[in-house]
Amino acid sequence: EAQVTQNPRYLITVTGKKLTVTCSQNMNHEYMSWYRQDPGLGLRQIYYSMNVEVTDKGDVPEGYKVSRKEKRNFPLILESPSPNQTSLYFCASSLDRLAKNIQYFGAGTRLSVL
Amino acid sequence: QKEVEQNSGPLSVPEGAIASLNCTYSDRGSQSFFWYRQYSGKSPELIMSIYSNGDKEDGRFTAQLNKASQYVSLLIRDSQPSDSATYLCAVKPLIKAAGNKLTFGGGTRVLVKP
Repeated sequence: EAQVTQNPRYLITVTGKKLTVTCSQNMNHEYMSWYRQDPGLGLRQIYYSMNVEVTDKGDVPEGYKVSRKEKRNFPLILESPSPNQTSLYFCASSLDRLAKNIQYFGAGTRLSVL
Repeated sequence: QKEVEQNSGPLSVPEGAIASLNCTYSDRGSQSFFWYRQYSGKSPELIMSIYSNGDKEDGRFTAQLNKASQYVSLLIRDSQPSDSATYLCAVKPLIKAAGNKLTFGGGTRVLVKP
């Protein structure tokens, strides 16, 4: 089954404690992206990757890091989480960056930073 | 001005009626347009994509695109209680812009009442 898998689904942590949210897709997609979703602000792109070792900032990259060492994996790293990073996070992937390609979303990770 | 604007709702429709959702966008060069459905706490799920002016029908859903007026709409015919969700409009810019970035509207919450 084609899917985008995020882990963990729920995470409660404290300010400053480094964490990683993993994202993996089994569709051999080139393009992967991270979004955060906040009430009233909608979905906003954090980082994206067009292929292995190719990453770039989205609209709200501050406080986040990513890496793309393998095609299937695109982890999101919070080096020093802060309460304003409490949000619902989605990973997405698509075949490539062409305009018509559809993005498939993971189930989401709900993060609370205390 | 937001890049993609939607009325937040809630849009309340009786069961069996037509729900009409609108979305306007600011980037005149946008090429691809998508409607995602999102149930509370769940990931966005693609229901329609449209790339050229006119109407596109898929089951009970019809997407309408008017690039000259910079709006895209979604009609849900024979609305069912299971259609109660938030509908996200997403727009993809020119291919040379930031990768495969989708810019989302804030979503319209739809409530279908039996």
